[in-house]
Parts: sequence; C-alpha cells; structure tokens
Amino acid sequence: QSALTQPASVSGSPGQSITISCTGTSSDVGGYNYVSWFQQHPGKAPKLVIYDVSNRPSGVSIRFSGSKSGNTASLTISGLQADDEADYYCNSYTRSRTLVFGTGTKVIVL
Amino acid sequence: EVQLVESGGGLVQPGGSLRLSCEASGFILGSYWMHWVRQTPEKGLVWVSRIKGDGSETTYADSVKGRVTVSRDNTNNTLYLLMNSLTAEDTAVYYCAKGGTVYSVPLDCWGRGALVIVSS
Repeated sequence: QSALTQPASVSGSPGQSITISCTGTSSDVGGYNYVSWFQQHPGKAPKLVIYDVSNRPSGVSIRFSGSKSGNTASLTISGLQADDEADYYCNSYTRSRTLVFGTGTKVIVL
Repeated sequence: EVQLVESGGGLVQPGGSLRLSCEASGFILGSYWMHWVRQTPEKGLVWVSRIKGDGSETTYADSVKGRVTVSRDNTNNTLYLLMNSLTAEDTAVYYCAKGGTVYSVPLDCWGRGALVIVSS
C-alpha cells in the first residue's frame, strides 16, 4: 500500500487560509468517507483534527475544515495562527481493510 | 480522561524480538478497536496493525505481516505488539491509538510513543 501523496510544505501568513491536499486512489480516499487529518507538533503525539472527511472532534477549532473530491481530500486552515505551525498527516481506510497515511505536510507560518 | 501509555521499547539486535505494551485508562478498552502506528523521520507515520475490541479480528500492514502479532488483554486494559525478526527498518517510534467502536476509525487518542532501535 503506497502512502497517500501530500505536498512537502505549505506556508502562509497569519490570518490567511491554506489548503493541504491528500491524493490517493479509488481503493482508499476515493472509495470511502473515512479520511482523517492529524496535527503533530515536534516531539508530540499526533492529534486528530478532522475525521470522516469533514467532521471536527470536540474541542478542535472551527478554523479547521475538511473536504473530498474524487480521490483527493483536502484540509483547510483558515485564520492561520502561529500555533498552527506543525506537521499534518492525512489518513484513509483502504479496500484491503488496512489504513494508510499520507506523506506529511509541514505547515509554515510566515 | 482517556490515556494511553506505551512501554517496552528499547535497543534490540537485528533478528531479535520485542514486545510493546500499551496500557489504557479512562475508557472501556474492550469496546474499541485499537491500532499500532510507527513513525520515522524519513517515512513519517506508517500504520502497522489493528485489532477489534474483542480480539476477534486483526489486520496488518504488508511490511510487518508474518513478523508481528497484535493482541490484547481487556481485563487488564492492555494492548500488545509482539515483533519478531527485527531489522533496522523497524527502528521507529511506535504509537498505540484508540479507534472506534463499530468502525476501526477514527484514531482519536494516541499515546506518547515508545522508541524501538534495532542495531548491533
């Protein structure tokens, strides 16, 4: 199972919006609405910020939103803040009944 | 408060074995799917394995299939990962993560990780 494809880095200024893409295949992202997104600060465990494509867990800021079109899922962070600077990973359930993560994206707040 | 604490990591020689543990608290372990995920700087997060709440179903990534066994002791609130025939490529931080009840996703709570180093 190949990793889902994410851009290596995305940058934006405080207050701006950024979008991170996550591209898979019809056997994973395109085939199921079980796409999640995780935020990971250096030295910390991953934190769930979006699940089932577009749902936010309790306590996660409304500035985080998710969507999907075909084989590509997206995470949008609006009103970018300094604390949003972190690594972000997407994740999808697959036809093989396994899970697959994306390659990871470093978000840089300018 | 939901909490997961991994233990059992350390230095192991190539070809050796290691068993990781994940102690769960704050929720009924037997009601949830549980997962193991590993991370290296080069590859990022890589899913390893999952196990259903009652232990009746397990799934493994191709990269570890046949060398790794996931199990659980719901009475003692502990998840395990037994790894055999270890190679340098198994060097990573290993996380346990809590999944869903009916569906195995999402992974909504993670431990802090256990570092496994495979080296002579």
